Amino acid sequence: AQRVTQPEKLLSVFKGAPVELKCNYSYSGSPELFWYVQYSRQRLQLLLRHISRESIKGFTADLNKGETSFHLKKPFAQEEDSAMYYCALSRPSGNTPLVFGKGTRLSVIA
Amino acid sequence: DAMVIQNPRYQVTQFGKPVTLSCSQTLNHNVMYWYQQKSSQAPKLLFHYYDKDFNNEADTPDNFQSRRPNTSFCFLDIRSPGLGDAAMYLCATSRGRQGRSSKNIQYFGAGTRLSVL
Repeated sequence: AQRVTQPEKLLSVFKGAPVELKCNYSYSGSPELFWYVQYSRQRLQLLLRHISRESIKGFTADLNKGETSFHLKKPFAQEEDSAMYYCALSRPSGNTPLVFGKGTRLSVIA
Repeated sequence: DAMVIQNPRYQVTQFGKPVTLSCSQTLNHNVMYWYQQKSSQAPKLLFHYYDKDFNNEADTPDNFQSRRPNTSFCFLDIRSPGLGDAAMYLCATSRGRQGRSSKNIQYFGAGTRLSVL
């Protein structure tokens, strides 16, 4: 069964502190993995995906197949990073829906 | 400019009174999805269309139906809303088979918040 687990419902960090949002997945095969973000009063939007291997807004995420994890990291949190973050997976084809984790609310304290 | 547009942003209906939520897209994407998101929960897929092919999730109640009359529009019909159907409903699109690297990226609308009185 496909499943995405985000163990932390809420994560509070101080501005400038490192951030790590945890995500573990269950999937038989090689899924595509994503992080979506929802800022206050805005729509859900893609932050980054594992196949791009890019850094967006200072965030990176590395796929660890051995640990079936896709943790999201940023070395120095900013107040504007406060948002709801969802980890999601899909099958690597063109019409597969996303399976979302329950989300982690990141609160960056000034 | 919004590329996935949901109307209305807020919808209030009465218990048992049919309601329709709409979604339109300017991206010409093959795939359109409807998700239900309740407070403090993850978005839950209800169904999706790949072009005209309808794909229903096994646990989506029969009370929920969908129509996709053309590429740009997709509707969510709730035949007899119950109190438990109050939620945010999200529409999303993706390219599907078009393109390669970006085909699985989903673009979301702002959502319609449904209240059932």
